[in-house]
Amino acid sequence: DAGVIQSPRHEVTEMGQEVTLRCKPISGHDYLFWYRQTMMRGLELLIYFNNNVPIDDSGMPEDRFSAKMPNASFSTLKIQPSEPRDSAVYFCASSFTGVQPQHFGDGTRLSIL
Amino acid sequence: DQQVKQNSPSLSVQEGRISILNCDYTNSMFDYFLWYKKYPAEGPTFLISISSIKDKNEDGRFTVFLNKSAKHLSLHIVPSQPGDSAVYFCAASERNNNDMRFGAGTRLTVKP
Repeated sequence: DAGVIQSPRHEVTEMGQEVTLRCKPISGHDYLFWYRQTMMRGLELLIYFNNNVPIDDSGMPEDRFSAKMPNASFSTLKIQPSEPRDSAVYFCASSFTGVQPQHFGDGTRLSIL
Repeated sequence: DQQVKQNSPSLSVQEGRISILNCDYTNSMFDYFLWYKKYPAEGPTFLISISSIKDKNEDGRFTVFLNKSAKHLSLHIVPSQPGDSAVYFCAASERNNNDMRFGAGTRLTVKP
């Protein structure tokens, strides 16, 4: 059974460019989470969806960040414009219910130059 | 604010011995606790969890202990194996809240 699939695995781009990260959750999972991992702040929740609806986006750092879930099998996290301080590993996770555990993808390592 | 703390960034243990990883939390509303294991270039993988109504949960070589009065939990791995070498994250949440808070992680190295 396929796990959570994230793409791309690595992204290097210049400051000011738009960045789109993609996630395919595990089929049948109703919850989808986006996390960011940095050395300074560790692993922090950015936003999560339930049945494709954003429930809590209080962790989204700025208006430059946006996330969508157009259907049950796909979500995007977009940064526009990107800045060097956005460099981090971004993880997507999904769960069957709101009660954890969450299943994580292998992450996207983002570098903004 | 760091509501979940793992004060030991690293731990080294001999194969066959016990590994004990510790975690402290500050939010008394947390009632669900998890341990995740992470290998390099991979996402965290769920290992074991415990609800606040219990003080111990065991799964094979892994046991999690919860001390609610001390707001402390620990993960015991017995016996430790070289394949257990990874970063271990402690996480906590309220059952009705999906905002799971993670500790900074402890890097475990099990030496053959």
